[in-house]
Amino acid sequence: RKEVEQDPGPFNVPEGATVAFNCTYSNSASQSFFWYRQDCRKEPKLLMSVYSSGNEDGRFTAQLNRASQYISLLIRDSKLSDSATYLCVVKKPGTYKYIFGTGTRLKVLA
Amino acid sequence: DAGITQSPRYKITETGRQVTLMCHQTWSHSYMFWYRQDLGHGLRLIYYSAAADITDKGEVPDGYVVSRSKTENFPLTLESATRSQTSVYFCASSDNQGPPLSPLHFGNGTRLTVT
Repeated sequence: RKEVEQDPGPFNVPEGATVAFNCTYSNSASQSFFWYRQDCRKEPKLLMSVYSSGNEDGRFTAQLNRASQYISLLIRDSKLSDSATYLCVVKKPGTYKYIFGTGTRLKVLA
Repeated sequence: DAGITQSPRYKITETGRQVTLMCHQTWSHSYMFWYRQDLGHGLRLIYYSAAADITDKGEVPDGYVVSRSKTENFPLTLESATRSQTSVYFCASSDNQGPPLSPLHFGNGTRLTVT
């Protein structure tokens, strides 16, 4: 089993739609989780850290489900500019290593 | 706020040549990392460093050498470039505030082609 797994997509959604991605992780001791956005092989950019109680930043909501070992990202009112690859990142407990999922591609259609 | 910068942005080199990719950060972050990104593999860790003069191997270290004589610099050297090292290389840094903080911050990447 991979340490961090994501559905590669692509997810094709119309503008204004709500879309959600999940990411599963294998190490139950993991404590640090992040969502990054990456455009067309440019550098990944931090979208949001994921807090235990869940957190929201504008149209974006991140959730952590420890029992089932997954994190989720919800995007409301999708914009064309949201089209990108979304990377799930989990910090390996007790180390300085960050494990990346292979990313989920989102395409928002006009 | 310069953040983290990589140079060069693009590099073409020949098989067997030595190449050094530069990474410089202005935040005084303790941790620095080198990743490579290839289609079908996602981001893979090459080397990382917890502080000046402390480095360690990641998933794919073979063929690469790093050094960290100063906190702000973390160069990556390909000792004898091979075609399989054609990739996009990202440098990243993070501080040590503990979970759930300390995200990675990335440089804008170096696209390396080995012919």
